[in-house]
Amino acid sequence: DSGVTQTPKHLITATGQRVTLRCSPRSGDLSVYWYQQSLDQGLQFLIQYYNGEERAKGNILERFSAQQFPDLHSELNLSSLELGDSALYFCASSADYSSYNEQFFGPGTRLTVL
Amino acid sequence: DAKTTQPPSMDCAEGRAANLPCNHSTISGNEYVYWYRQIHSQGPQYIIHGLKNNETNEMASLIITEDRKSSTLILPHATLRDTAVYYCIVPRGTGNQFYFGTGTSLTVIP
Repeated sequence: DSGVTQTPKHLITATGQRVTLRCSPRSGDLSVYWYQQSLDQGLQFLIQYYNGEERAKGNILERFSAQQFPDLHSELNLSSLELGDSALYFCASSADYSSYNEQFFGPGTRLTVL
Repeated sequence: DAKTTQPPSMDCAEGRAANLPCNHSTISGNEYVYWYRQIHSQGPQYIIHGLKNNETNEMASLIITEDRKSSTLILPHATLRDTAVYYCIVPRGTGNQFYFGTGTSLTVIP
C-alpha cells in the first residue's frame, strides 16, 4: 500500500460525457502527478501540481483539466470523452518536486469509454 | 534531458539474481536514476533510486557506473512474484516528472 488513494477504481461511461477522477496523496506530500496508461501509448505524464499550483504540464489534452485543492487532494476532469480516452489513470504523490524524492503511485482508475 | 534505454525483455530462473541493465548516456551530474516496476495493471511500485553511489535496500541493489552513463538493477534472489515490467527513469522537467519508456519485461521462470 503506497498510501495514495484513488477513486473510483473503475468507471464506465459513454462518448461525449464528462468524468472526474479523484486522488488523495500520501500524508504530508505536497506534490501530485497524473499519468495516463493506454495500450498503445504506454505510461504518459499528464500534469503535476505542487501545493495547489500547477507545476508542470505534459501530454494533456485541452479536454482534460486538473486541480489541487487546499487539503492537497487532486481531481482530474475529463470531458467530451472519446473512445481513445479509455485507459488507466494513475496519480502519484511526492514530498515536493525535487528529483531526490520518490513518487508513490496509487492503484489507478480504469476508465472505459463506450 | 536524459533518456533511458532498456532491453525489452529478460528471463531469470527463480532463486537466481536478476540483473536489469539501463543506459542513460545523456544524464547530467545532478540527475537521479530511479527504478520502478509494474505488475500487471497495478500502480508502478518504487524500487530504488540513486545519484552516484551504489545503493541497496530490502528490495534490490542499484549499481551505477562511475561515468553514470549506465546502471544495473539487481534483484538478488528472484521469485515468481518479481515477474513484472521494470522501468528505469531519469526524472526531468520543472516538476521532475517521469517519462516512462517501454521498460524491461522480466519473467521469472520456475
